[in-house]
Amino acid sequence: DAGVTQSPTHLIKTRGQQVTLRCSPKSGHDTVSWYQQALGQGPQFIFQYYEEEERQRGNFPDRFSGHQFPNYSSELNVNALLLGDSALYLCASSPTLAGGETQYFGPGTRLLVL
Amino acid sequence: AQKVTQAQTEISVVEKEDVTLDCVYETRDTTYYLFWYKQPPSGELVFLIRRNSFDEQNEISGRYSWNFQKSTSSFNFTITASQVVDSAVYFCALSEADNAGKSTFGDGTTLTVKP
Repeated sequence: DAGVTQSPTHLIKTRGQQVTLRCSPKSGHDTVSWYQQALGQGPQFIFQYYEEEERQRGNFPDRFSGHQFPNYSSELNVNALLLGDSALYLCASSPTLAGGETQYFGPGTRLLVL
Repeated sequence: AQKVTQAQTEISVVEKEDVTLDCVYETRDTTYYLFWYKQPPSGELVFLIRRNSFDEQNEISGRYSWNFQKSTSSFNFTITASQVVDSAVYFCALSEADNAGKSTFGDGTTLTVKP
């Protein structure tokens, strides 16, 4: 039973560029959330997708957008990259949208913006 | 607004010592969920435990135990007879029933277990 997978594992971009990160949820899970984890900090919630719609959003600018596909996989897009966007981006999946469901995390994508 | 505080930034112990990681939370909801995750150097967050606000029973799983006290808004994690493999960053997280799927994390406690 495959867990949450993310690609790529590492990425280097320059300021102003755009990036797309990808996530496949754990088998049987239909809800995907994205988190940003800066160095030395806890993960910060970006947004959540369920039934191909953004259901909740954290305190992130519109430069951060996403998408969920019919097979429940998801993409995170970041436009006009800033140096401060350098972080570990974590994808988490859960079996339902219900509150309190345990989220299972992928290994993350390490993004470095130069 | 929900908030999680892990006051201990770093803890260092010698193998076989017991260690307790503190977690204090804030929420206005009466129904909420608390979690602990372990993050080894590889970066992947590993789920350890989930507790809902109506269940204050302490839990033990092998060398791990958790003490949930609503009166002090705390959900502390104890590792008994620590091992080098326990070295990692540990995160406490809170999820409110009214904000399904959005977890608020503390800033983590880095645990180093020395042989």
